[in-house]
Amino acid sequence: KQEVTQIPAALSVPEGENLVLNCSFTDSAIYNLQWFRQDPGKGLTSLLLIQSSQREQTSGRLNASLDKSSGRSTLYIAASQPGDSATYLCAVRGTDKLIFGTGTRLQVFP
Amino acid sequence: NAGVTQTPKFQVLKTGQSMTLQCAQDMNHEYMSWYRQDPGMGLRLIHYSVGAGITDQGEVPNGYNVSRSTTEDFPLRLLSAAPSQTSVYFCASSQGQGLTQYFGPGTRLTVL
Repeated sequence: KQEVTQIPAALSVPEGENLVLNCSFTDSAIYNLQWFRQDPGKGLTSLLLIQSSQREQTSGRLNASLDKSSGRSTLYIAASQPGDSATYLCAVRGTDKLIFGTGTRLQVFP
Repeated sequence: NAGVTQTPKFQVLKTGQSMTLQCAQDMNHEYMSWYRQDPGMGLRLIHYSVGAGITDQGEVPNGYNVSRSTTEDFPLRLLSAAPSQTSVYFCASSQGQGLTQYFGPGTRLTVL
């Protein structure tokens, strides 16, 4: 059974720092991996989707990498801003469904 | 485009009551799904649909029914609400099963 783990569960950093969020999964037979952002009391917003054949995807200050063989993905946020404060979730897709991690709650303070 | 919409935003039920959570999307997406989000457990898939007339169970389907009579709508029915169904419910849609999913704003349900 696929399990997805995100470490750390919470992170607090000063504005301007570059930071890395981690996601690990137990079954490497995945179709793709997605990173989402969730603001308090809101739905999820898709940030990046990496297909199993890809190594990384970039969008603005965000870069996500995927190492299927080791069961790991990282989300790199460059030059963090207070507006980046949110919970970040990763989810892996197997044959028929998405399995979510429990998220990393990020706070960026001025 | 309104994207994915959900109603109601909040609902309080008594044990044993039934209700329907509404979900609609205006992006002509074939794939729709329902998740529940509980503290410390992440999002878990309840039911999903790969197109009108086709539904299937996810990880936690017990106590919930779905139907998909149109591409746009995917309602979730609670047959007899239980306190264990207190949760935040999210509906999502995508063009295909392996493509980017778009989420609605959620329905916060409390069962007393």
